[in-house]
Formats: sequence, C-alpha cells, structure tokens
Amino acid sequence: DGGITQSPKYLFRKEGQNVTLSCEQNLNHDAMYWYRQDPGQGLRLIYYSQIVNDFQKGDIAEGYSVSREKKESFPLTVTSAQKNPTAFYLCASQGGRTGANVLTFGAGSRLTVL
Amino acid sequence: AQRVTQPEKLLSVFKGAPVELKCNYSYSGSPELFWYVQYSRQRLQLLLRHISRESIKGFTADLNKGETSFHLKKPFAQEEDSAMYYCALLYNQGGKLIFGQGTELSVKP
Repeated sequence: DGGITQSPKYLFRKEGQNVTLSCEQNLNHDAMYWYRQDPGQGLRLIYYSQIVNDFQKGDIAEGYSVSREKKESFPLTVTSAQKNPTAFYLCASQGGRTGANVLTFGAGSRLTVL
Repeated sequence: AQRVTQPEKLLSVFKGAPVELKCNYSYSGSPELFWYVQYSRQRLQLLLRHISRESIKGFTADLNKGETSFHLKKPFAQEEDSAMYYCALLYNQGGKLIFGQGTELSVKP
C-alpha cells in the first residue's frame, strides 16, 4: 500500500526537550515537505527537500531542523528553540504519477508541549 | 511577496444552495493554483488544479488573472461537501507551495 507514513500520531513533550517526527514515503517521490497547521493560519511551510542530501528553509524554519539522507525519509526535529511548538505537523511528498507539483500528504502528527 | 488569501474562515450554507469559496493571490509571475480539501478524519488531498480545467465532485474553479482570484464554486451544495478547503499557489516552479488560511464549509440539511 503506497503512501506517506507519519509517526507518532500524537506526541507529548516537556519544555526544553527536542523531539523528532518521522516521515516515510514509498511513492518514489523526489520532493518532500514539512508544513505546520494551526487553526486560522492555514498551512505554513517549515522545510522542503527536492532531492536527497539537499533541503531548503521554508517560511517558518526557526527552531526546526531536518535531514534527507534517504529518498524515502525526511524526519523533522522540533528543537527547544522553537517558541511555540504545539501544533499539527503535516508531511507531504511530490512527484511521480500523482502529477507534477501535486502534493500527497501524510495523516499528520500532533505535538503538544506540556 | 507571494501570498494567498481566503477571506472567509467559515462558510455555512443549506443543502442545495450554491457555494463560492473565495481565494485571492498575489504573485508577479505566472501562477499555478490548486484547491486542496480535508474532510473530517481524512488526509488533506488535492481537489482540483487550474491547469486541468476540470470539474471534480461538481466543483469548478476559474483562474482570473485580472482579479488575481481562483474562487471555488459549486451550484448545488451537498452535505458531504462539508470540509476544510485550502487554496494554494505554486511559485518557484517545482518548489514552494504556499497555502491560504483555509475556509471551513458547513453544509446544513
């Protein structure tokens, strides 16, 4: 079953801790994205990667870090420097049969900072 | 700067009524625009894109470059259309896709 898998679905973190959200895809897509979804603000781009071993900052990259060591994987680390990390995080990939420039989304991860 | 604006947070209509979800964009280049939809408990997914010029689930959207708009329309709303709708703009071809704030559509019986 092809698609994008995000884990964990729910995550709780204490202030001052880093946390890593996993995103894996088996669609053979080249590009991958991380968005943050907040009520009333839509989706805001955190980081994106168009190819392995390369990634670019989005509009709200501060306090986040990513890596792209494998085509299938694009993990997002929410660091303690992120001032308001409680949010719903969406991973997406792009390419292949879905059509150029069309994103396929994961189910999301909800992070709550206690 | 590139921007997508959806002025309505919530749009509530009765079943069978026409629906128009507004989307305005600012972009100096040639835009590629999309509508994505998120039904309750489902993933965000593509509804339609302007270059396809197609109707999906009865929805259509026309790109109006003069008014920089890409409004989503449906002549007769159905209860199953209730969802969150996001307008999105692609710029930097093959790169960044930016989204509007989203409009929640509620179709009442």
